[in-house]
Amino acid sequence: QKEVEQNSGPLSVPEGAIASLNCTYSDRGSQSFFWYRQYSGKSPELIMFIYSNGDKEDGRFTAQLNKASQYVSLLIRDSQPSDSATYLCAVNTDKLIFGTGTRLQVFP
Amino acid sequence: ETGVTQTPRHLVMGMTNKKSLKCEQHLGHNAMYWYKQSAKKPLELMFVYSLEERVENNSVPSRFSPECPNSSHLFLHLHTLQPEDSALYLCASSQGSGSGTDTQYFGPGTRLTVL
Repeated sequence: QKEVEQNSGPLSVPEGAIASLNCTYSDRGSQSFFWYRQYSGKSPELIMFIYSNGDKEDGRFTAQLNKASQYVSLLIRDSQPSDSATYLCAVNTDKLIFGTGTRLQVFP
Repeated sequence: ETGVTQTPRHLVMGMTNKKSLKCEQHLGHNAMYWYKQSAKKPLELMFVYSLEERVENNSVPSRFSPECPNSSHLFLHLHTLQPEDSALYLCASSQGSGSGTDTQYFGPGTRLTVL
């Protein structure tokens, strides 16, 4: 069974710190990887996607992919209280499989 | 924010009721999806439509019946639901054919409560 694993958290970081969110997946054939942010009571919002090994940066966000280790991560630099949300990792082979999400809390 | 809309946003229904959820996408996408999100569980894919044709049905009970009259609209018809069907129902759309590499954009969801 194809799976996507995330630590449910909460991950608590102080304002201004780097938040590191991790995700592992079981299907080696996975081709594309997505990070969604979901605020409480809201729908998921796409933050980033990554297809190739290495890092991809977009503003304060960096996605990192290591296909050999079947590992994808999201770094949030200069974390803000407004970043407090649940972050969903999603992995695509023939369909999109979601993890249960990691709850991030950024405290002032 | 307004690329994918869903109505109603909240729905309370009894087990004998029949209701429908509606989704509309204004992005010119070709594929549309229904997901179920329950507490403490990952998003579960229910149905995928590509150009109005159903391409995936993940063993969803027959009390959920999808309908896709055109590439911009998607419905989920509900009848004889159970309390465990209470969840957030999310619609999404994507540019491609509904295959694995598409980037999906979500609507705001319908919070369904079955009494």
